[in-house]
Amino acid sequence: SQQGEEDPQALSIQEGENATMNCSYKTSINNLQWYRQNSGRGLVHLILIRSNEREKHSGRLRVTLDTSKKSSSLLITASRAADTASYFCATDAVWGYSTLTFGKGTMLLVSP
Amino acid sequence: DTAVSQTPKYLVTQMGNDKSIKCEQNLGHDTMYWYKQDSKKFLKIMFSYNNKELIINETVPNRFSPKSPDKAHLNLHINSLELGDSAVYFCASSPPGQGADTQYFGPGTRLTVL
Repeated sequence: SQQGEEDPQALSIQEGENATMNCSYKTSINNLQWYRQNSGRGLVHLILIRSNEREKHSGRLRVTLDTSKKSSSLLITASRAADTASYFCATDAVWGYSTLTFGKGTMLLVSP
Repeated sequence: DTAVSQTPKYLVTQMGNDKSIKCEQNLGHDTMYWYKQDSKKFLKIMFSYNNKELIINETVPNRFSPKSPDKAHLNLHINSLELGDSAVYFCASSPPGQGADTQYFGPGTRLTVL
């Protein structure tokens, strides 16, 4: 079964509000990454957090990781219409080959 | 100066045909991947190549055959196309020695099998 599960499946907010997306996974990981996919485009890497890290920031993005709960959250502050996209978490499992397993994504709509 | 490029962007074909999708990266990466994204946006790894050698083949039907002529290219050939092959196929690459660290994706190829 897939490793990452994002929640919610879809999120609709107004510009300026914060958006929080959650990701849960099943097995031990080396790292967890978040990617963005604009409609009809490829995925773009946003941020990577390693299993020994608890929080990471990049611009308006804040990612947390709780390995005891096997969960992560992505917070986008002061959202903009250009943030409208699907957001995916991806995990690099400790076992097996070094490859990423993606969740189904959260579709974020930011209205002006 | 495109980092990871794929051709074609759209591919519409009949069931039973054979088609190829090409991928090239100019990032100097050693590892390249093919992913399939279905209509529900679920993204699944199909193949991984490192320095032209197959590392991962995730239970993909043998109608799918990747070919890596050099480490900058990873092409995907599909024989006897089926309706269920309709999806968006993404090529990706990652830097040497970083395993499943940051991956760089191509723009995708939308395959429609009629």
